[in-house]
Amino acid sequence: DQQVKQNSPSLSVQEGRISILNCDYTNSMFDYFLWYKKYPAEGPTFLISISSIKDKNEDGRFTVFLNKSAKHLSLHIVPSQPGDSAVYFCAAGGGLTGNQFYFGTGTSLTVIP
Amino acid sequence: ETGVTQTPRHLVMGMTNKKSLKCEQHLGHNAMYWYKQSAKKPLELMFVYNFKEQTENNSVPSRFSPECPNSSHLFLHLHTLQPEDSALYLCASSQEGQIYGYTFGSGTRLTVV
Repeated sequence: DQQVKQNSPSLSVQEGRISILNCDYTNSMFDYFLWYKKYPAEGPTFLISISSIKDKNEDGRFTVFLNKSAKHLSLHIVPSQPGDSAVYFCAAGGGLTGNQFYFGTGTSLTVIP
Repeated sequence: ETGVTQTPRHLVMGMTNKKSLKCEQHLGHNAMYWYKQSAKKPLELMFVYNFKEQTENNSVPSRFSPECPNSSHLFLHLHTLQPEDSALYLCASSQEGQIYGYTFGSGTRLTVV
């Protein structure tokens, strides 16, 4: 069974507006969450993370929110730029899973100029 | 060279061929991973090596055979594959005890004909 789910396979946003990517997980033992960004023909690259002791982490235009009670996290990108167009993977792990992370299926973001 | 390097970038092989994928990391990490990315599926963990020892085999068919001769190199030997094995194979590395996620290579795009 999938432990990390990204239910929106794709998202289109106008340049300058906010992009919100969502992720749900099932294992309450996860204590570390990451977002990766992937361009075609490249491997995923680390974008931003959050630990379970926080509910928000911000890095420039990127903010990740964690709602532990709902087992839900989201990535906000504002303002969105055409260069943000990529596939975004959510990953969860840590705790009893050690260094093993579980990934979602990804959301393909298109930022329209 | 820095980061995680995978070769070849692209591979086309017949079902009766034997080939190998190579991964090399220059980060001093002590854990290495093979992931499979198929269309519309989450990144699937295949194998985990910690300090050169295999610690995880996620029910991967025996036609995939990993080898980790040292903590910097990881191979995936392929033989008698099926067309459904066509996918992007990603190598990643991390440092045991430091939970900040993985560093991924660019992947090998495998096509089985």
